[in-house]
Amino acid sequence: QLQLQESGPGLVKPSETLSLTCTVSGASISTYYWGWIRQPPGKGLEWIGSIYYTGSTYYNPSLKSRITISVDTSKNQFSLKMNSVTAADTAVYYCARRRQASSSWVFDYWGQGTLVTVSS
Amino acid sequence: EIVLTQSPDTLSLSPGERATLSCRASQSVSSNYFDWYQQKPGQAPRLLIYGTSNRATGIPDRFSGSGSGTDFALTISSLEPEDFAVYYCERYDSSSLTFGGGTKVEIK
Repeated sequence: QLQLQESGPGLVKPSETLSLTCTVSGASISTYYWGWIRQPPGKGLEWIGSIYYTGSTYYNPSLKSRITISVDTSKNQFSLKMNSVTAADTAVYYCARRRQASSSWVFDYWGQGTLVTVSS
Repeated sequence: EIVLTQSPDTLSLSPGERATLSCRASQSVSSNYFDWYQQKPGQAPRLLIYGTSNRATGIPDRFSGSGSGTDFALTISSLEPEDFAVYYCERYDSSSLTFGGGTKVEIK
């Protein structure tokens, strides 16, 4: 059974860099796309970006200048770095697998999410 | 950027009733690249419908999706207690992906 687990600091200071890692177990990270999605408390979902196991990346244009998503196939992990964070970046951050379903692409497996609070 | 507007914000219904959720896109969207997700409190979203009308694995047939162009809908034919949740529509293309703001289906 595929499982994804987010890890990283739960508290980040304003202007600093948020760093999260998603560890994939139960399947190889190779072959699929993977993504990060966030959800501010009490609000809706926002796609952050996606990465293929080869390292090709796709970023939300509104966040592109501040984010880097990378993959480490040897550890079966992918990671998110977001710099210059503000309180607006406080959210639950989810990692998810993106796979092809017929002619579509879907997020079919998700991590449980991790709350990151930006505060001094 | 294509914006998805979901309506209503909240739908108050009783178990057994029919629910119809709407999602309108600011520009035409490919039917292949339009999905619905369900989210319950404290849980990650779960894929319900992909490609406008295809149920994901394990999703009961009381859930159905329809639409094209800029107007899409999710219908729950007869609400079960476990269906009370928030539903998000989502679209994507080669360069971006956006979610709607969500519709909460609550028990009346």
